[in-house]
Amino acid sequence: GAGVSQSPSNKVTEKGKDVELRCDPISGHTALYWYRQSLGQGLEFLIYFQGNSAPDKSGLPSDRFSAERTGGSVSTLTIQRTQQEDSAVYLCASRTDGNTIYFGEGSWLTVV
Amino acid sequence: KQEVTQIPAALSVPEGENLVLNCSFTDSAIYNLQWFRQDPGKGLTSLLLIQSSQREQTSGRLNASLDKSSGRSTLYIAASQPGDSATYLCAVRRTQGGSEKLVFGKGTKLTVNP
Repeated sequence: GAGVSQSPSNKVTEKGKDVELRCDPISGHTALYWYRQSLGQGLEFLIYFQGNSAPDKSGLPSDRFSAERTGGSVSTLTIQRTQQEDSAVYLCASRTDGNTIYFGEGSWLTVV
Repeated sequence: KQEVTQIPAALSVPEGENLVLNCSFTDSAIYNLQWFRQDPGKGLTSLLLIQSSQREQTSGRLNASLDKSSGRSTLYIAASQPGDSATYLCAVRRTQGGSEKLVFGKGTKLTVNP
């Protein structure tokens, strides 16, 4: 596709449920990032994938969060046993060997 | 730890005015700096990217400068228009140990009044 695609665009879930957020990066982009933006807060780094290298998971806030990237393309961010403080916009971005980083429209998660 | 600060947090100007948004960072060991805009309820749109070896970049009415030694970047918007109303974010990219991160400021919310 022309840009970074994220799904779902909006998700309302009950506290304690698991959610999966999907990111389709721009074709050919080797680097992929997940960020979180909470209401009134800045963007918080979650995880970074680069090609076949081990991902940098240092930003994941707890062991309820995990992410994978299959075949060097699509990535899934999974949040288990969701809590209300997980409510945020989850943004995915990608880049190729060039330097400009492109963001998707985000997945808006509300935990009720 | 890299910290990025944007001043002012909010700015309201009349249409047609030239304006400057400021971004400062604490660690000059950056790979590059990127300016984004974010419209309400939307993702981030890249505006300009400045490599660490560069001093400025221009695109249309936008001009971004970088002074690594002082840890500062500015985004200059000429002849502002109501359509420029958005939140503007700067982000510095750091590479370390095979990983990399973008560290963002909290943004400047710009309102351009007709």
